[in-house]
Amino acid sequence: AQSVAQPEDQVNVAEGNPLTVKCTYSVSGNPYLFWYVQYPNRGLQFLLKYITGDNLVKGSYGFEAEFNKSQTSFHLKKPSALVSDSALYFCAVRANAGNNRKLIWGLGTSLAVNP
Amino acid sequence: NAGVTQTPKFRVLKTGQSMTLLCAQDMNHEYMYWYRQDPGMGLRLIHYSVGEGTTAKGEVPDGYNVSRLKKQNFLLGLESAAPSQTSVYFCASSRGSANTEAFFGQGTRLTVV
Repeated sequence: AQSVAQPEDQVNVAEGNPLTVKCTYSVSGNPYLFWYVQYPNRGLQFLLKYITGDNLVKGSYGFEAEFNKSQTSFHLKKPSALVSDSALYFCAVRANAGNNRKLIWGLGTSLAVNP
Repeated sequence: NAGVTQTPKFRVLKTGQSMTLLCAQDMNHEYMYWYRQDPGMGLRLIHYSVGEGTTAKGEVPDGYNVSRLKKQNFLLGLESAAPSQTSVYFCASSRGSANTEAFFGQGTRLTVV
């Protein structure tokens, strides 16, 4: 079965420190991988995606993510966290072939950046 | 550039009442989706549409109906609201390719009492 795991419900980091939000997945074949952010009382916003090619993907607001096929991971990273990065982050995956190509969502990770 | 617009933003219903949530997108997207978001359960797909005049069931379709009479609009109906349908509802749209991202509306917070 296809699945996405975000093993940490909450991540706390001090402003200016690097941050990592983890995502691992299980999908048949090669995946399309996405990160979205949700600020309080708002809809989800697309941050970045991996389709093919370079394993390091850069996205909005200084975020980046690294696709690691052997570890089936797609962790979200930022070199220097801002208080304004505090939000809920969702990882999602879709198989790029086969019959089951629905988008599978993780349960989200709440990021708190402390001043 | 409005993107995806949902109406209403808030609503309180009594058990058994009906209502329709409206989603409109101005990006000429083929695909549209309705999700519900509940604490600890992430996003769950209710229904989706891959084009005008088509709809399909998602993970949690029971108690909901949808229609896509125009490409830009996707309506979600609750025929007889139940307290279990208290949730935040999000509409989203995307182009037809599997590798494209979705654009979300700001959500409708529905409380059924």
